[in-house]
Amino acid sequence: DTEVTQTPKHLVMGMTNKKSLKCEQHMGHRAMYWYKQKAKKPPELMFVYSYEKLSINESVPSRFSPECPNSSLLNLHLHALQPEDSALYLCASSQIGTSELYEQYFGPGTRLTVT
Amino acid sequence: AQTVTQSQPEMSVQEAETVTLSCTYDTSESDYYLFWYKQPPSRQMILVIRQEAYKQQNATENRFSVNFQKAAKSFSLKISDSQLGDAAMYFCAYRSFDTGANSKLTFGKGITLSVRP
Repeated sequence: DTEVTQTPKHLVMGMTNKKSLKCEQHMGHRAMYWYKQKAKKPPELMFVYSYEKLSINESVPSRFSPECPNSSLLNLHLHALQPEDSALYLCASSQIGTSELYEQYFGPGTRLTVT
Repeated sequence: AQTVTQSQPEMSVQEAETVTLSCTYDTSESDYYLFWYKQPPSRQMILVIRQEAYKQQNATENRFSVNFQKAAKSFSLKISDSQLGDAAMYFCAYRSFDTGANSKLTFGKGITLSVRP
C-alpha cells in the first residue's frame, strides 16, 4: 500500500472558522510533511514531523497548527485564516534515514478556499 | 542553499514524439538526489524518476529517462513516445544526501507539458 490519503478533498471556510485537515498513511513512514501549493506553482514546505515530533517549521503563521497524534496520522488545524491562505494543501510521507534514497509520497491534497 | 531552475514554463509535444524537459541546479554538495515529479491537472503528484548523484549511469523508467550531467549540474527528463496521459506539470526537485530526519525537497518552478493528439 503506497497511499497517502487526505480528507476532506475540498473545504470552504470563513475567516473566523476553525477547521482541521487530516492526512493518513499506513506505509510505516516516520516522516510526514505539510505543503502549501498555489496554482501553477511548486509546493512550499510548511512543516516536517519526524518520529512524531515537529522537526521543521518553515516560519508558518500560528494560524496554522500541525499535530501528529501517532505515526500514521497528521493533522493541520486551521484558525482565523486569511483569503490568501486559499490553496491546495498537500501531505506527504517518507521513510527516514541518512544516505538513503527515500522518496516522498504525496496525497491528493485538500483544496481550501477561505472566504 | 540549493536552487533548482526550470527555465521553460511551458512546452508542447505531438503525441508519439519525444520531448526533453530541462532542469539545472546549483549546489556545493557532492552527494545528493534528484527527482522528477509529475502532477496532472487536479490529480496527485507522483514520482516519475530519481537519480542518485553518485551514480554515473542515467536512470530510466520505461518511456522516461534522464540525462544527468553532474559537472554541468544539469538534469533533463526525456519522455519518449509521448502519450496524452503525459500532459501534466512536471517539477524537478533536489534533496541533500545526508539530511536524515530533516529531509527537504527543493523544487523548481515547474513546467507545464501539453500533448497534442
